[in-house]
Amino acid sequence: QVQLVQSGAEVKKPGASVKVSCKASGYTFTNYEIVWVRQAAGQGLEWMGWMNANGGDADYAQKFRGRVTMTRSTSTNTAYMQLSSLTYEDTAVYFCARGSLDLRVKSPGTIDGWFDPWGQGTLVIVSS
Amino acid sequence: DIQMTQSPSSLAASIGDTVTITCRASQGIAKSLAWYQQKPGQAPNLLVYTASILKSGVPSRFSGSGSGTEYTLTISNLQPEDFATYYCQQYFSSPPITFGPGTRVDVK
Repeated sequence: QVQLVQSGAEVKKPGASVKVSCKASGYTFTNYEIVWVRQAAGQGLEWMGWMNANGGDADYAQKFRGRVTMTRSTSTNTAYMQLSSLTYEDTAVYFCARGSLDLRVKSPGTIDGWFDPWGQGTLVIVSS
Repeated sequence: DIQMTQSPSSLAASIGDTVTITCRASQGIAKSLAWYQQKPGQAPNLLVYTASILKSGVPSRFSGSGSGTEYTLTISNLQPEDFATYYCQQYFSSPPITFGPGTRVDVK
């Protein structure tokens, strides 16, 4: 079955960087985008950006541009999200999810739609 | 950016009730809307996409409808496993993709 498995929890100091991984299985990794969404404790869902798992190009939410980098390894079917210059406000659960549109038939400029499935989430705690 | 609002922010219901959650977009989104269910400590789970299409395997007591700027998720015959938080998400315009703030469904 289609599955995304994320790396384990992280504790980082303010100013540090964190890199979260998301390993895909059950489908052809390069046929879909991977999206990253975060959720602070007791809060809603916040879209961070997405990455084309085939070409590797990514688009980020304005809020995170300059601090976030989304990459992938096609040899291991793994997507990565690195967030730098961490502050206490970055303490959250970070989710990866698969986009809905098959990149082989997706028209340029078409917005990927819903996200399914999701990884189990990775808790990132920023603490001194 | 398209802003998404949901109402109510929370509700209490009993087993067997019918529950309706409303999601409003700040501009028309042409049915480019998904609904997710999230239980504590779990990832969101897709329920509905394109406003009214039920994901395969989702119970038929869930239904979505709407157009333009207003959309609803209805849960008929509420079951114990349905107590959760529900989020809407628009994918009409990006970046950014935006989610509603969530509606928590609690036991009455």
